[in-house]
Amino acid sequence: GQQLNQSPQSMFIQEGEDVSMNCTSSSIFNTWLWYKQEPGEGPVLLIALYKAGELTSNGRLTAQFGITRKDSFLNISASIPSDVGIYFCAGQLNSGAGSYQLTFGKGTKLSVIP
Amino acid sequence: DTAVSQTPKYLVTQMGNDKSIKCEQNLGHDTMYWYKQDSKKFLKIMFSYNNKELIINETVPNRFSPKSPDKAHLNLHINSLELGDSAVYFCASSRGHSGGYTFGSGTRLTVV
Repeated sequence: GQQLNQSPQSMFIQEGEDVSMNCTSSSIFNTWLWYKQEPGEGPVLLIALYKAGELTSNGRLTAQFGITRKDSFLNISASIPSDVGIYFCAGQLNSGAGSYQLTFGKGTKLSVIP
Repeated sequence: DTAVSQTPKYLVTQMGNDKSIKCEQNLGHDTMYWYKQDSKKFLKIMFSYNNKELIINETVPNRFSPKSPDKAHLNLHINSLELGDSAVYFCASSRGHSGGYTFGSGTRLTVV
C-alpha cells in the first residue's frame, strides 16, 4: 500500500520561531491534507489541498501541494505554545472503491518552549 | 453538539472478552470510518463504510466487525480481545469521498 514519509519526527522550538515539516510519497495522491492532534483528542483538519502546486494558508499556517503530487509541506509562522501537538499529513487517491481512504504519515510531534 | 461522538472514552477489559465501541455522527455525512492509533501514534484505517459498501483493511483480524444500524452510527465490535488490541480507536466521518474527515475524540482500549 501507499506509504507517506513525514519528517521531522519531532521538533523542539522556541516560541516565536517558524516551523516547517514535510511529507513525501512514492505514490501520487489527488488530495493532501494536514491534521493536528492534541493529547486526548482526535485529529482536526487544518488544511486541505486539491490541486498540484496549490498553496493555501489558514492563519499562521501555510501548506503547499507538490507539483508532482507526491509531496507537501506545512509551515507554521511565529509559533505559540498552543501550537503544541502532533501534526499529520494524509493523502487521498479518490480514484475508486476503497482508494478514497486516507493514508496518514507517522506524524511530527511539535514542542514549543515558552 | 459534538459532531462525532464515541463511547466509551476509556475501556479496560480482560483478555478474551467481547466489547463494543459506539460511534455517532450528527453531521449528515454518509461515510464513516474506524481508525486504530498505536502506541507510536501511527493511524491506520480499519474500515470504511457507507450505505453502499463496506471496505475492510485486509490486515484487520476478523475478530473486529463494524455494525451500522443507520447512516449516523457505526459501532465497532471486537471478539476475544487480545493484549495487542490495546490502542486508541478513532471513529471518523465524511461526506462522500471528501477529504475533510471529522474525527471523534477516541476510545482508549486497554486489554489486561
